Amino acid sequence: DIVMTQSPLSLPVTPGEPASISCRSSQSLLDSKGYTFLDWYVQKPGQSPQLLIYLVSNRASGVPDRFSGSGSGTDFTLKISRVEAEDVGVYYCMQALQVPPTFGGGTKVEIK
Amino acid sequence: QVQLQQSGPGLLKPSQTLSLTCAISGDSVSSNIATWNWIRQSPSRGLEWLGRTFYRSKWYYDFALSVKGRITVSPDTSKNQFSLQLNSVTPEDTAVYYCARREAAGNYFDYWGQGTLVTVSS
Repeated sequence: DIVMTQSPLSLPVTPGEPASISCRSSQSLLDSKGYTFLDWYVQKPGQSPQLLIYLVSNRASGVPDRFSGSGSGTDFTLKISRVEAEDVGVYYCMQALQVPPTFGGGTKVEIK
Repeated sequence: QVQLQQSGPGLLKPSQTLSLTCAISGDSVSSNIATWNWIRQSPSRGLEWLGRTFYRSKWYYDFALSVKGRITVSPDTSKNQFSLQLNSVTPEDTAVYYCARREAAGNYFDYWGQGTLVTVSS
């Protein structure tokens, strides 16, 4: 199985400040057709996970443009340009290249 | 708008069978562009994909190695739902269980059920 590793584990952020989360996969997530299958999900307190970004950098419907994803191969980053109070939760990366899909351990974003 | 509504018991004893159902609205379990998945979440194992079913002229099934041999995922076209059965549960199967739709083109989980906490305890 592909192993997904996230850092940091916890990320205290001041509202209005940027935040960045890293994700690394144990093998390249690039497929033969040129797509890179890396998604980001957020799980807000008491809720199910919800899709944030797919295929590295595509925001899901309704996701604010302060969220952006980047990266290639095995190294990926989720950035929040200006954190808002509603952004608190646990952020997960997930590889969607192979079955089984596998998730990172999560990064808890909290407000300072 | 797709909605997934989970149902099933939340408390089991060791060796019993876990049974959960996920009712689909706004889509079809027989869709040719989606797969129907079960995922669980626990403090010790994080988010763990368990298995899926999908229809592409016939029914297909895939399962995680960690539960293979104990797991069944079954579509029910008459009720437009799919179910999870996990046999011979132990306390290590205690988790929140989610059903989720995976969109075939982008391979992402775009709709999730509300989650069911299943506790295995004697």
